Amino acid sequence: DAGITQSPRHKVTETGTPVTLRCHQTENHRYMYWYRQDPGHGLRLIHYSYGVKDTDKGEVSDGYSVSRSKTEDFLLTLESATSSQTSVYFCAISVKGDSNQPQHFGDGTRLSIL
Amino acid sequence: KNQVEQSPQSLIILEGKNCTLQCNYTVSPFSNLRWYKQDTGRGPVSLTIMTFSENTKSNGRYTATLDADTKQSSLHITASQLSDSASYICVVTRDNYGQNFVFGPGTRLSVLP
Repeated sequence: DAGITQSPRHKVTETGTPVTLRCHQTENHRYMYWYRQDPGHGLRLIHYSYGVKDTDKGEVSDGYSVSRSKTEDFLLTLESATSSQTSVYFCAISVKGDSNQPQHFGDGTRLSIL
Repeated sequence: KNQVEQSPQSLIILEGKNCTLQCNYTVSPFSNLRWYKQDTGRGPVSLTIMTFSENTKSNGRYTATLDADTKQSSLHITASQLSDSASYICVVTRDNYGQNFVFGPGTRLSVLP
C-alpha cells in the first residue's frame, strides 16, 4: 500500500468552527490532491498541489483552502465549516507528470458538521 | 459537459457468478480510462488503466474493455468472491499530465454466499 495517512479519520464539529485535515505521505510524490465524496456523486476535486507552496483550485474549492509547506504534508482547511461541507474527504498522491500511473488514495476522513 | 455515467447503480450476485459493469463517458479530450475498486470505509484502489489504443486489460479476475469509438468501457469480474463486494469507480483522465480527472458515481456490487 502507498504510504498515505489521513488524520483525523473521523471528526464531528459545529457550524462556524475552523477545521483542518491533514494528509501525510511517505512516497515523496510531487502531486497531492484533496477530494470530497458524497452519495450519488463521483469524487470531486477540491484543490491539488504540484509542489511545495504550489497549489491550484479544483471544481469545488469554495470554502476551502490548502497549504503545503513540506513535500510530505498537504493540509485542507475549512475556515468556517458549514453543514454542506459534511462529507468524506480523500487525499491522493500521484507520480509527477505521468498520466498513465494510478493515483493512490488515503482511507479518508469522515467529517460531520452539525 | 464532461461526464462519466455508470450502470447499474447497484448489483447483487451470488458467489462464483460472473458480472459486467458498464461505464459511458462524454469526456474530451481523452487521455486514459481507469477502473478503481473501493471497499467500504477505504480509499479507491487502482485496478486497470487503459489508453486510447488499448482495447482490453486484465488484472487477475478483473478484465476491463474500452471502445473509444463509442466511448464505452466495461469491467468484467469472473468467478466472483465475497471480497469483490465493493464500489467500482470509472475515471477518465483528460490531459497528458494526469491532473484532470472525471469520476463516475460508481457501481455498488454485493456478492452473497
